[in-house]
Amino acid sequence: TQTVSQSDAHVTVFEGDSVELRCNYSYGGSIYLSWYIQHHGHGLQFLLKYYSGNPVVQGVNGFEAEFSKSDSSFHLRKASVHWSDSAVYFCAVSANTGNYKYVFGAGTRLKVIA
Amino acid sequence: NAGVIQTPRHKVTGKGQEATLWCEPISGHSAVFWYRQTIVQGLEFLTYFRNQAPIDDSGMPKERFSAQMPNQSHSTLKIQSTQPQDSAVYLCASSLISYEQYFGPGTRLTVL
Repeated sequence: TQTVSQSDAHVTVFEGDSVELRCNYSYGGSIYLSWYIQHHGHGLQFLLKYYSGNPVVQGVNGFEAEFSKSDSSFHLRKASVHWSDSAVYFCAVSANTGNYKYVFGAGTRLKVIA
Repeated sequence: NAGVIQTPRHKVTGKGQEATLWCEPISGHSAVFWYRQTIVQGLEFLTYFRNQAPIDDSGMPKERFSAQMPNQSHSTLKIQSTQPQDSAVYLCASSLISYEQYFGPGTRLTVL
């Protein structure tokens, strides 16, 4: 069974700052990792995914994430945040078994101060 | 492309009443997922259909909850005899057979 940990429940930064949102997972097999964003009152929007290849993946709106097998991590980063990036970010993992259901982390609420 | 459509957006029921939630997946998507979101439990997987067939319902409470996908254009989640602890946002997602899921806006169910 896979598990996901997002250690920071809340992160506050100023507009223009860089940010890193942490995600650690546990699973012994091949895994598929994603990040989703949820603005207040809306459903989840896909940001980016990783399965294999280059461990640094690019997503929408300047987000990128880096996979580390040794650290069991898939941290999300953005070099310069905008106030509109304020939202809840979810890390999600799925075992690569052909069953596509996700296990989600608890989410990190990012607040960007303009 | 209208995205995943969920109706109603909000539903209020009295304890013991039935609630039916609807999901219309993106046209052409062959997989439909249901998740439940609460403050306490976060996002929980409920059930999953592929090409209308139930694949995995391991997250569904054994009693009172059922899901169907009678055709490729919609899926329903039915909760019988609703209880206050069923109050949550129910999210539907669809995908091609892949890990990139597209979520609807959710249905907020409030059980009084």
